[in-house]
Amino acid sequence: NAGVTQTPKFRILKIGQSMTLQCAQDMNHNYMYWYRQDPGMGLKLIYYSVGAGITDKGEVPNGYNVSRSTTEDFPLRLELAAPSQTSVYFCATNPGGVGANVLTFGAGSRLTVL
Amino acid sequence: TQLLEQSPQFLSIQEGENLTVYCNSSSVFSSLQWYRQEPGEGPVLLVTVVTGGEVKKLKRLTFQFGDARKDSSLHITAAQPGDTGLYLCAGKYSSASKIIFGSGTRLSIRP
Repeated sequence: NAGVTQTPKFRILKIGQSMTLQCAQDMNHNYMYWYRQDPGMGLKLIYYSVGAGITDKGEVPNGYNVSRSTTEDFPLRLELAAPSQTSVYFCATNPGGVGANVLTFGAGSRLTVL
Repeated sequence: TQLLEQSPQFLSIQEGENLTVYCNSSSVFSSLQWYRQEPGEGPVLLVTVVTGGEVKKLKRLTFQFGDARKDSSLHITAAQPGDTGLYLCAGKYSSASKIIFGSGTRLSIRP
């Protein structure tokens, strides 16, 4: 049982390049979230999903896209990378339903845009 | 815009002292969590509070949920160097499935 798996762990991008951060979970959780964390700061919600085929914007969605074709996977796409997107990205899951409020996190993906 | 304000942002105290961290919002939460994060790792859950006025204790840590479920506090008694880290509150709003985080409190305990 791997929990939440994020790939890659580290990536350096040039300005204007695109890439996809992968997130996979094997806990059959309905809810999945993408957060970014700038140095020394809290986490900002980018996008979230309450089930396959359903996604919604969080606090800072600009410059990102997501899809949720399966329960297990929730990839985050960066189009036209900018230095402001340099951050650590965390994927998290939650079983969903009444009272479900605890997040299980992946190990994070550190992205640098130069 | 739903915001979670956390204070203080930084706190450096001597070992053995007490401290309190606050988490405030103008909106009502259905639940609130406190996490602790070490450098290079993801946040790890400390506690969840769901009932207004609820108090939970975890060894030297005491967590309180406000009566109106709009705020919470974390109190550490006799802080130890091992308490050093980034403390984050996270709230789930009744009307939404999203969970948002406060800006974090970076705590440093000096021996």
